[in-house]
Amino acid sequence: VLTQSPATLSLSPGERATLSCRASQNVNSLLGWYQQKRGRAPRLLIYDASKRATGIPARFSGSGSGTDFTLTISSLEPEDFAVYYCQQGAAFGGGTKVEI
Amino acid sequence: QVQLQESGPGLVKPSQTLSLTCTVSGGSISRGGYYWGWIRQHPGETLEWIGYIYYSGSTYYSPSLKSRLTISLVMSENHFSLKLTSVTAADTAIYYCTRAFLYGGNYYFDLWGQGTLVTVSS
Repeated sequence: VLTQSPATLSLSPGERATLSCRASQNVNSLLGWYQQKRGRAPRLLIYDASKRATGIPARFSGSGSGTDFTLTISSLEPEDFAVYYCQQGAAFGGGTKVEI
Repeated sequence: QVQLQESGPGLVKPSQTLSLTCTVSGGSISRGGYYWGWIRQHPGETLEWIGYIYYSGSTYYSPSLKSRLTISLVMSENHFSLKLTSVTAADTAIYYCTRAFLYGGNYYFDLWGQGTLVTVSS
């Protein structure tokens, strides 16, 4: 089970976003992060906890291992306001909505 | 670049079979290293993994759907399909076809179709 917090994050462009994902058991570094904009398919951002997928801007970074993981967006751009999901195996977290 | 596109009926009657096809363009599904599958999303909810198939034909299904589910490859037409039998309203969702790769023991979904809404209703 993956638990994401907070459910909603209200921030302004240019601010730093910190999203959390907690696994119910040790998953080492086997965790991914996805971004989903309204009406669109999800997009892979991070795999193996900290590796950026192809074409993902450097402002997105992932960290953590074991049970606690973090996705950081260093300076929010207008296009970053979306829902973010963590994933391990067949399980997805409940999502964090980053809103203006 | 490789793209995925779902197709199939948007409305299915209860107890009938939901059938979707994902057409792959810009690359071959017979290339090893990738897993081709399906994920769904109930309205306003998180993502639910359905299952995937490897080019060898090996399949991996969600335990909760396994008894009703078939995923298959059609190499000659470069597409793969999903069949879900005995559907109910609980199967109403947006269905995404996906491509996954295996890294370090975990699967990551690096390519997604645009998604297709399937409604189960009489």
